[in-house]
Amino acid sequence: DVKVTQSSRYLVKRTGEKVFLECVQDMDHENMFWYRQDPGLGLRLIYFSYDVKMKEKGDIPEGYSVSREKKERFSLILESASTNQTSMYLCASSPYTQPQHFGDGTRLSIL
Amino acid sequence: EDQVTQSPEALRLQEGESSSLNCSYTVSGLRGLFWYRQDPGKGPEFLFTLYSAGEEKEKERLKATLTKKESFLHITAPKPEDSATYLCAVHSPGENYGQNFVFGPGTRLSVLP
Repeated sequence: DVKVTQSSRYLVKRTGEKVFLECVQDMDHENMFWYRQDPGLGLRLIYFSYDVKMKEKGDIPEGYSVSREKKERFSLILESASTNQTSMYLCASSPYTQPQHFGDGTRLSIL
Repeated sequence: EDQVTQSPEALRLQEGESSSLNCSYTVSGLRGLFWYRQDPGKGPEFLFTLYSAGEEKEKERLKATLTKKESFLHITAPKPEDSATYLCAVHSPGENYGQNFVFGPGTRLSVLP
């Protein structure tokens, strides 16, 4: 079974802090994704990576950056957290043209 | 622009009352259509992939079907543990691979004992 592990289930941070969300997959997948999920807005793609050190912006990249130094690990960085970044963050991985497999999510609250 | 819609938005069933969820899509080409189940506070769990019209997949009480414009998730004799949000997603060809996955808003299913 594919396993995608997100480092924290719940996280509380303050505005202006730099926040790191970590994601690790164990299936040697090429592609990794970061989404946020908000009520009424569904899943929105923040960033996508198709290889080590390669990344593409998604629909809502503003205020975020990502890092992929190793194939199995994809990090999402909130450079200076703001209250409108309070959300559920979901990481996913997939081999090419195959469905994505998701982690359990990180519920992030910015106070 | 690729679009995915799902109906109904919410559905309440009595245990044992079969029904169907709909996923309608508009894409320039279809590489795959995926169904997921999402429980509250958790990430989506992959259920099925469908690639071409006429294809069907089954798992326990769930059966997914695909036509050229829509997919149905049929739930036969549902149980309370089938209560969840069901998401549909399509993957279409294009230059930006990551953005060619489009998720629908989901159908929230409640099965009452």
